[in-house]
Amino acid sequence: SQQGEEDPQALSIQEGENATMNCSYKTSINNLQWYRQNSGRGLVHLILIRSNEREKHSGRLRVTLDTSKKSSSLLITASRAADTASYFCATGDQGAQKLVFGQGTRLTINP
Amino acid sequence: DTAVSQTPKYLVTQMGNDKSIKCEQNLGHDTMYWYKQDSKKFLKIMFSYNNKELIINETVPNRFSPKSPDKAHLNLHINSLELGDSAVYFCASSHRPNGEKLFFGSGTQLSVL
Repeated sequence: SQQGEEDPQALSIQEGENATMNCSYKTSINNLQWYRQNSGRGLVHLILIRSNEREKHSGRLRVTLDTSKKSSSLLITASRAADTASYFCATGDQGAQKLVFGQGTRLTINP
Repeated sequence: DTAVSQTPKYLVTQMGNDKSIKCEQNLGHDTMYWYKQDSKKFLKIMFSYNNKELIINETVPNRFSPKSPDKAHLNLHINSLELGDSAVYFCASSHRPNGEKLFFGSGTQLSVL
C-alpha cells in the first residue's frame, strides 16, 4: 500500500523563490529519501535522511524529518528553471528491503 | 556511460501478446528492482533481486516473470498482455538489498491496445 503522501500535489513558483514540499507517512521507518523525476525520465536520488536524524543539507536542498509527526519536508532554495520536475518521497520500512513511494509533487519554476 | 539502461524505451502492442523488457546496470550493484508507474505517477515495486535471487515479489500476477541471468541484468517478461498493464516500467539498482539510494533507468512506456 502507498506509504508516503506528498503535499502539495502541484506547486508553481517564480525563479529565485524557495520551494517547500511536504511528505507524510504512516508506519515506522528506517530512512526517508527524496527523488526527482524530470518529464519522461527515470527518478534520480537526491538525499537520504535516517530516522535518527532531524535535518540534512545537500547544496540548495534541505530536508527535515519529524518522526513524532511522521512527516518530512524538502526545501529547495533559490529555485531555478532546471528544478522543474516531480519530487517524490520514499520510505524504507524498518526490517523491510523495499522502498515505498508517494505520488509526488509536481514543481514548476517560472522564469 | 549509462548506469542503468533498459530497452525498449517505448513498447506498443496488442492485448494478448507476450513482450519482454531488458535491463542492465554497470554500477556493480548487487540488487535490482522493477517498479511500475501508473498514469497518476504512483510508483509501486514489483520485484527485487539480490545476486540473481528473488527477494521481493509484490503480489504481481503470474503473467509477469522476472529473470536475472546475472547480477547485472534483470529482465521482465509479460505474458498475455492486458489493457491494465499499460504503464511506465522502471528498472532500478542499489548497492545493497536495503532499498537505499536507488539508481533508476529511464523507463519503458508500455501501451497495450
